[in-house]
Order: sequence, then structure tokens, then C-alpha cells
Amino acid sequence: GAVVSQHPSRVICKSGTSVKIECRSLDFQATTMFWYRQFPKQSLMLMATSNEGSKATYEQGVEKDKFLINHASLTLSTLTVTSAHPEDSSFYICSASPQAGGYNEQFFGPGTRLTVL
Amino acid sequence: GQNIDQPTEMTATEGAIVQINCTYQTSGFNGLFWYQQHAGEAPTFLSYNVLDGLEEKGRFSSFLSRSKGYSYLLLKELQMKDSASYLCACVDSNYQLIWGAGTKLIIKP
Repeated sequence: GAVVSQHPSRVICKSGTSVKIECRSLDFQATTMFWYRQFPKQSLMLMATSNEGSKATYEQGVEKDKFLINHASLTLSTLTVTSAHPEDSSFYICSASPQAGGYNEQFFGPGTRLTVL
Repeated sequence: GQNIDQPTEMTATEGAIVQINCTYQTSGFNGLFWYQQHAGEAPTFLSYNVLDGLEEKGRFSSFLSRSKGYSYLLLKELQMKDSASYLCACVDSNYQLIWGAGTKLIIKP
């Protein structure tokens, strides 16, 4: 149980275009979803936390107008990288937690590798 | 500030035992996770400790000392597939997950 999927697994796009990444919890309801970015040989960097039906909470330094997050249902969250640039190329990983408040284990999606040309 | 320290890289031999240490300084503490991450893949859960002591799970064990702000992950009977990065992460008083930079473990035959 506790499976999280991400789509697409890889995407290559031209500079200036927007890319949408989907994160789905397949067998549980994810009250809270997290979006991370990971550059090569570095640890995970939390970008934002989203709770179903409310606005995402962005970490300091993350542009909310550039990284649009929508958590419209208890099983789906999307991250849209708007007007992508080569420096946005990274490994984007989502995770989902079944409960809000307190702390529960995060279940990770397989990640999306974004390459911006 | 909040800080998680773990070695950048370790090397061990197949069949041996390796201990990966993690020290932390966080505002409050609500537990510590260890995750395994193979290159190009997402992290997978290994263990969660919130009380002092050793938690054993097959070939992997995790230890926590809250008074010392210290944890370790012990891997026994190392296999080549154990080559990966091992991430230590703490839950702070706001229930935020604070990640270490990860320890890259290289297993040699």
C-alpha cells in the first residue's frame, strides 16, 4: 500500500515553456502533499507543502508565481513550472502524507526529471 | 539554526557491516527518519525512531540518542544493491522535515 505516482517521469522542454507535473496517491487519501527539488549530488530541498483545498505554503526563496501548485483533490496535486529556464532543470519529487497535523511518514513518488533546453 | 550532519561518502566491502552516523540540531524534535535513495530515484523509507534505543529491521538497524542529538544506521551483510545514498531527516517542533545532505555509500566486491 501507500503508492504515489508521478507523471511524467522525464520531460524535456524549450526555455520559456511551461511544464506540468502530476502527483497522485494511488491507494490512500493524501491530505498533505510535498514538492521537493533535488540537484545532482545534493539533498532534497522542500519547495512547498500543500493541503487539499487550500493554498500551498512555499518555502523561503521559492517563487510561488513560477512554481504553481494545485492540490485539488485528496489524490492529486500538480506542480506547474511556468516559463521554465535551464536553471530549473532538476529532479522534482513529490511525496504524500495521509494526515494533516502531527507527523506521518511521507510516501515518495518516483520523481520527474526536468531538462530545460 | 537547524542542522543535520552526516558524512558525505563512505566505502565498505560486500558482506561487511557499515555504520552511517547522523547528528542533528533542530528546534524541537519529533522523530528521525532514515531513507535510502538510489541514483535517479526517489527516496524509500527505511526507519523511523522517536524513542531512544535500537530498532532492528532485517539487515538494517537504526539507533537514536535524543540526549546526544545522534543517530546511526547500521547495515549488515552488505550487498552490492545497498550502494545508494542514505538520507537522515528530522522532524522539528513544527512537524517540518529537516533533511541531511545524504551519505553516499559505495560497496566494493
